[in-house]
Amino acid sequence: GAVVSQHPSRVICKSGTSVKIECRSLDFQATTMFWYRQFPKKSLMLMATSNEGSKATYEQGVEKDKFLINHASLTLSTLTVTSAHPEDSSFYICSARAVHGPPGANVLTFGAGSRLTVL
Amino acid sequence: GNSVTQMEGPVTLSEEAFLTINCTYTATGYPSLFWYVQYPGEGLQLLLKATKADDKGSNKGFEATYRKETTSFHLEKGSVQVSDSAVYFCALSPSNQAGTALIFGKGTTLSVSS
Repeated sequence: GAVVSQHPSRVICKSGTSVKIECRSLDFQATTMFWYRQFPKKSLMLMATSNEGSKATYEQGVEKDKFLINHASLTLSTLTVTSAHPEDSSFYICSARAVHGPPGANVLTFGAGSRLTVL
Repeated sequence: GNSVTQMEGPVTLSEEAFLTINCTYTATGYPSLFWYVQYPGEGLQLLLKATKADDKGSNKGFEATYRKETTSFHLEKGSVQVSDSAVYFCALSPSNQAGTALIFGKGTTLSVSS
C-alpha cells in the first residue's frame, strides 16, 4: 500500500534556529501533499497544500514566511520552520493521496508525524 | 462551511464493552466521510470510509453509517479490545478530487482496560 515517510520523527532545537522536515511518498507519486499541525488534545489543523512545481497554498492565519514549503519533486515535500520559537513546538504531519488509490474516495495517506520541540 | 464535530473524550471502557463515538458534520454538497485512528506514537491510519448516503463503512469490527438526514457518521464497535486504545478522528472530504484536504474533528481518545 501507499506509504508516506516523514523525517525526522523528533527534533529539538534552540529558539531562533530553523528546522526542516521532509515528507516523502515512498511508492507513489503525489502532485499534492498536505501539511497539518496537531496541537495537544486538539484536532489536526490544515496548514498548507503543497503543490509540485508551484507555490504552496496556505490556510488563513498560517504565516507563509515562517513555514516555508517546497515541493521539489513528485515524491518530496519539505516544511521549514524558520526562526523557530517555543510556540512553534508541535506535531507536524504530512499527507498525500496516491494517484492509484481506492477509486471514488479521496483517501489520504499520512506520515507518522514529526514532533518539534523548541527550547 | 465544512466542519466536523465529534464527542469529547476521553472514553474509558472495559474490554468487551460496546463503543459509540458520535460524529456529526456540516458540509455543502455531498462529502465523503472517514474515520482515522492514531495509535500511540504512530501516524493516522484510515479505519473506514463511506462515500455516499446510507453507505456503511466497516473494518476490524468497527462500523459507521453515512446518515445524510442526521448529518452523522457515528463509529461503533460491538466489543472493544485493549488494543483498540487510540485516538479516533472523524473527517470529511468535500470532494473526491485530488488536491482536496480532509477536514478533521478534534479527535476522541479511547482507553480500554482489561
